[in-house]
Amino acid sequence: DIQLTQSPSFLSASVGDRVTITCRASQGISSYLAWYQQKPGKAPKLLIYAASTLQSGVPSRFSGSGSGTDFTLTISSLQPEDFATYYCQQLNSYPPTFGGGTKVEIK
Amino acid sequence: QVQLVQSGAEVKKPGSSVTVSCQASGGSLSSYAINWVRQAPGEGLEWMGGIIPVFDTPKYAQKFQDRVTITTDESANTAHMELNSLRSEDTAVYYCATARSAYGPTVSWGQGTLVTVSS
Repeated sequence: DIQLTQSPSFLSASVGDRVTITCRASQGISSYLAWYQQKPGKAPKLLIYAASTLQSGVPSRFSGSGSGTDFTLTISSLQPEDFATYYCQQLNSYPPTFGGGTKVEIK
Repeated sequence: QVQLVQSGAEVKKPGSSVTVSCQASGGSLSSYAINWVRQAPGEGLEWMGGIIPVFDTPKYAQKFQDRVTITTDESANTAHMELNSLRSEDTAVYYCATARSAYGPTVSWGQGTLVTVSS
């Protein structure tokens, strides 16, 4: 199985900050990577797929980049509603594994 | 996008089985890859298995291979996930989620079903 390592696992930031989360795959996955946002008690929400394509309706402050083994999710200016946990998922091969998550909290 | 509504919370004894259902509206489940993902309390997301159009049979994570069965009832536009031989570590929220293709992201998610395993 392909392992995904997210870093950091926890991040404390302020409204307006630029935030970057990384996801590293144990082997190359081309651009078959998605990012999800999850708030407490809610199902995950798709933010980005194919490493850099913004899902319809997702604010443009979210962006994704990378290919192969190294990927990043960037929030250009953190908003109050962005405090949540973020997960990456590889879709290159089965099983479609998830990263361990990055919890973004208010500083 | 298809909307997914899951069955309600369950409390089960160790060793028993549970079936979680996922009813779709706004589209036919047969048009999608249907995934089941679980999340233990305070933990991350874990893919369990799914019915994936390009595969002839349901695909399961090796960890659950011997205990999980995923089926669909096309007439009811509903998917089911049965997990057997429950243990306390299976206490989690179980989600169904659909993707447009075998290697596509999961766009629609059910609301989640809490399964509690306790003696």
